[in-house]
Amino acid sequence: NAGVMQNPRHLVRRRGQEARLRCSPMKGHSHVYWYRQLPEEGLKFMVYLQKENIIDESGMPKERFSAEFPKEGPSILRIQQVVRGDSAAYFCASSPTTGGLYEQYFGPGTRLTVT
Amino acid sequence: AQTVTQSQPEMSVQEAETVTLSCTYDTSESDYYLFWYKQPPSRQMILVIRQEAYKQQNATENRFSVNFQKAAKSFSLKISDSQLGDAAMYFCAYRDPQGGSEKLVFGKGMKLTVNP
Repeated sequence: NAGVMQNPRHLVRRRGQEARLRCSPMKGHSHVYWYRQLPEEGLKFMVYLQKENIIDESGMPKERFSAEFPKEGPSILRIQQVVRGDSAAYFCASSPTTGGLYEQYFGPGTRLTVT
Repeated sequence: AQTVTQSQPEMSVQEAETVTLSCTYDTSESDYYLFWYKQPPSRQMILVIRQEAYKQQNATENRFSVNFQKAAKSFSLKISDSQLGDAAMYFCAYRDPQGGSEKLVFGKGMKLTVNP
């Protein structure tokens, strides 16, 4: 069973451009989570999605950021009009279920650099 | 809001020795879950060990064990017989299942160096 896949691994964008980060959960996993890691910091929760539904977006910035997890295909984290402060590592995690002592399996991350 | 504190930004240990990483958290809940994740230079987050708050017995996974002190809100990780491959950033994390929240709250991490 392949792990959580994220692409691209590295993404460079100029200020004002759009960034699209993709996450393919592990096979059989229908729950996806996005986290952001700033330099020298721990991971910060952004959003939790199930297929076609946003369940918890309490960690998402109010503007420029959006996420989706369509019925078919990967989950997408979209950042419009990127600014230098968006430079960070973005991690996706997935799980087959929720409730109890379940594990969130993490992908290798996408490192976004805004120039 | 729940917070997780890792007060030691860096530690080092000699190969084959034992090291303890500290973590404290703040919550008013009685039922929750605690985790230790490892992040090696590859940046992949790897689950090391997990603990349910209502279980008094400390979790153990091979060379890794925890000292869970619920009243003190402390969740330290002990690594025995340290190996070079244990060198990584270690993150303590908390999850509160109340209200259906699934988010993990992470500490800032601690860099562990293992000296040969």
